[in-house]
Amino acid sequence: DQQVKQNSPSLSVQEGRISILNCDYTNSMFDYFLWYKKYPAEGPTFLISISSIKDKNEDGRFTVFLNKSAKHLSLHIVPSQPGDSAVYFCAARGSDDYKLSFGAGTTVTVRA
Amino acid sequence: KAGVTQTPRYLIKTRGQQVTLSCSPISGHRSVSWYQQTPGQGLQFLFEYFSETQRNKGNFPGRFSGRQFSNSRSEMNVSTLELGDSALYLCASSSGPAGMGTEAFFGQGTRLTVV
Repeated sequence: DQQVKQNSPSLSVQEGRISILNCDYTNSMFDYFLWYKKYPAEGPTFLISISSIKDKNEDGRFTVFLNKSAKHLSLHIVPSQPGDSAVYFCAARGSDDYKLSFGAGTTVTVRA
Repeated sequence: KAGVTQTPRYLIKTRGQQVTLSCSPISGHRSVSWYQQTPGQGLQFLFEYFSETQRNKGNFPGRFSGRQFSNSRSEMNVSTLELGDSALYLCASSSGPAGMGTEAFFGQGTRLTVV
């Protein structure tokens, strides 16, 4: 039962433009949401997170938006750079829970 | 500060065999979680250990087991390997629940191929 879904397996964007990655979840008990980035042959690395009490969190070029009523979150990357080409995973967890539920990932390709 | 170390990096096993994977967490981290990554499935949670106790278990058959030692190092064992067990196995360590400034840090993973 996939509680976190990333319905777009891939995204291609031109360098300098905005990348928008989407994620939907079904478990209303999720309290924290995270985005991880993964390069081939490496483990996922943490990018940015957001608590359910917020609707936006920004860190440099990365902004995560949360719409609790729609059970939807998105990651915006502005401007996109070639080094952003990677697989991006959306993850979520409940309160005081160490277990993360991940989406299937979105492969981002930034074209020069 | 050393990161999460997983050994071996690559492994090829035959159906029916068993395998043991190892994970050394970041120093001071007491929680170790294991995930299986397969194409199109994302990361599937296997189990989580804290202070040598399994606190959480995912929806995997009993062939998948693990343990944690007093130094927080963890091992994962898969018995009677099946072709479908071929995957990247990732270990993550953390000092607290992810998202509270205590994010889960992942190792590079062990790529297991079952033939």
